[in-house]
Amino acid sequence: KAGVTQTPRYLIKTRGQQVTLSCSPISGHRSVSWYQQTPGQGLQFLFEYFSETQRNKGNFPGRFSGRQFSNSRSEMNVSTLELGDSALYLCASSPRVTSGDEQFFGPGTRLTVL
Amino acid sequence: GQQVMQIPQYQHVQEGEDFTTYCNSSTTLSNIQWYKQRPGGHPVFLIQLVKSGEVKKQKRLTFQFGEAKKNSSLHITATQTTDVGTYFCAGLSGNTPLVFGKGTRLSVIA
Repeated sequence: KAGVTQTPRYLIKTRGQQVTLSCSPISGHRSVSWYQQTPGQGLQFLFEYFSETQRNKGNFPGRFSGRQFSNSRSEMNVSTLELGDSALYLCASSPRVTSGDEQFFGPGTRLTVL
Repeated sequence: GQQVMQIPQYQHVQEGEDFTTYCNSSTTLSNIQWYKQRPGGHPVFLIQLVKSGEVKKQKRLTFQFGEAKKNSSLHITATQTTDVGTYFCAGLSGNTPLVFGKGTRLSVIA
């Protein structure tokens, strides 16, 4: 089975721009979660989608948004980029049969904001 | 909100020494998961603990879940250079999403 894929792998943007990141979960997985990883803060939860519905949302400003499509693929969008948005953005999928399913992470998108 | 604290933040050991990382939650957990992230890589699931006082072993790795289900530990016996990476615990409580600790970065000196 193919793993979680994320595109693009690397991205350089300038302040004020917006960015869209994409995630394709493992086939059959209906839950997709997004995390922001920075050296100082570790893995911080952004949001979780299940069957096209946002199930949970982390404590991030409204500039961060996401969606999930009927094929379970997910996108997250960050508008009006700030320098502090530079991070590794990780997507994780799980079958979500139970709430405690393990998360399968993708390789991440490294976003640099200049 | 729920917080998961992990200590130490960094640990440097000589190859062959043991290593332990500790995880503490501000709330009672329904389960706790452990992940390993190699340098330049992404987190990879190691194990899940769900029962109070549970102990699980994977070769040289021993995972424990506290009796009160608020703390956990990962112990590596006789570390090897392949153990290098950051170890994260992640706690689940009710319907809230997984909350990750900030991780413990392990360096192994050959």
